[in-house]
Formats: sequence, structure tokens, C-alpha cells
Amino acid sequence: ETGVTQSPTHLIKTRGQQVTLRCSSQSGHNTVSWYQQALGQGPQFIFQYYREEENGRGNFPPRFSGLQFPNYSSELNVNALELDDSALYLCASSRMSSGVRETQYFGPGTRLLVL
Amino acid sequence: TQLLEQSPQFLSIQEGENLTVYCNSSSVFSSLQWYRQEPGEGPVLLVTVVTGGEVKKLKRLTFQFGDARKDSSLHITAAQPGDTGLYLCAGARGSQGNLIFGKGTKLSVKP
Repeated sequence: ETGVTQSPTHLIKTRGQQVTLRCSSQSGHNTVSWYQQALGQGPQFIFQYYREEENGRGNFPPRFSGLQFPNYSSELNVNALELDDSALYLCASSRMSSGVRETQYFGPGTRLLVL
Repeated sequence: TQLLEQSPQFLSIQEGENLTVYCNSSSVFSSLQWYRQEPGEGPVLLVTVVTGGEVKKLKRLTFQFGDARKDSSLHITAAQPGDTGLYLCAGARGSQGNLIFGKGTKLSVKP
């Protein structure tokens, strides 16, 4: 086990709705990255949070947003859900020190189905 | 366009056979990582290779990073059913570079 937890494990939503996914990082880690993994694909980087600020973003629209809290846990919010948003959402925590990010550890993911 | 190409996409072999999975790119990466992912779970890190030409061994698994740091291979000797899973390679650029994943190789080892 990596010590990274995610909730919920599964979620079903309909088009147009909004969803919030949660991630608790491993103890001692200050950085959280979120990835989207569609069926049959590798994970795609959404964005990263370091010390409560977004400090890197992949090719995802603004309706994908996030937060990081003082305890370094994080949320991923997706507005106006589309069918293509159906995927496994993974968070990965790591420690950033002196500008160098150490190994990322992944949580088990949240499986989102949009109908 | 996929930045990291993995091959083969699917592999089904018998227990005891050897296999090699490839991860190729036209881009240079500061490091490359191999993960194994089981259904319903997140990827689990197997190894990180950093130096061009580097070879790392993890029991029956041998990982190699290409001299130019653009490609990598994973060789499994005497595969076992417990090796079944999705093998992902991921490249990182720079010290804060986020991971770029390949599509993965789905390995099935039959008893």
C-alpha cells in the first residue's frame, strides 16, 4: 500500500452534472498530481498542486479544477460533465524538495461513469 | 500523437516463457519509470532509470534505459501468472517534469 487514499471508489453521474473527487496524500508528501486514465489508455496528466497552488497543468479544459488543503490533501472538481469524462481518476502524491520532485505514489483511483 | 509508444499492446504467454516489452520515443527524458497496474488499482512503481545505458534488475525483471535516454525495455524471465497485469512506462522531463505515460502493455501469463 502506498498510503495514498481516494474517495469515492466508484461514482455514477449524468451529463451536465458536477463532481468532486478527493485524495489524501501520503504522510510527509507536499505535492499532489491528478491523472485521467480512460479505458485502454495510459494515465494523462491533468494538473499538479504544490503548497496549495497549481504549478503545472496538462491539456485539460478549465472545467477541470482543483484544490490543495493545508494538510496537503486535494480535490479534483469537474463541471459540466461530458460522456468522455468517464475514466479512472488517479491521484499521486510525492515530496518536492529544493525544486526536485521525488517518486510519485499512486492511489487506487476513483472510477467515474458519466451517463 | 502518442509521445511514448509501447509494444506490444497485448501479450499472452504460457508460464515459464520469457518476454520483452518495449517503450520508444523520439524525445529525450530525464528519467523513465516502469509501473505495473492491476484492474481497479493505481499503478505501482517497479523501477526508475535515470542514466543512459543503465540496466536494473528486480528479481526476474530486467530494465534497460537506452543510451540516448529515448527508449527503454522490460524483460521478464520465466514469467509467472502473478506477473499478469498492465505494464506502463512513463517518461519525466526535468526535475519537476510531470509524467508522460505510454498506453501500456497488457500481459497475461497462463498457468
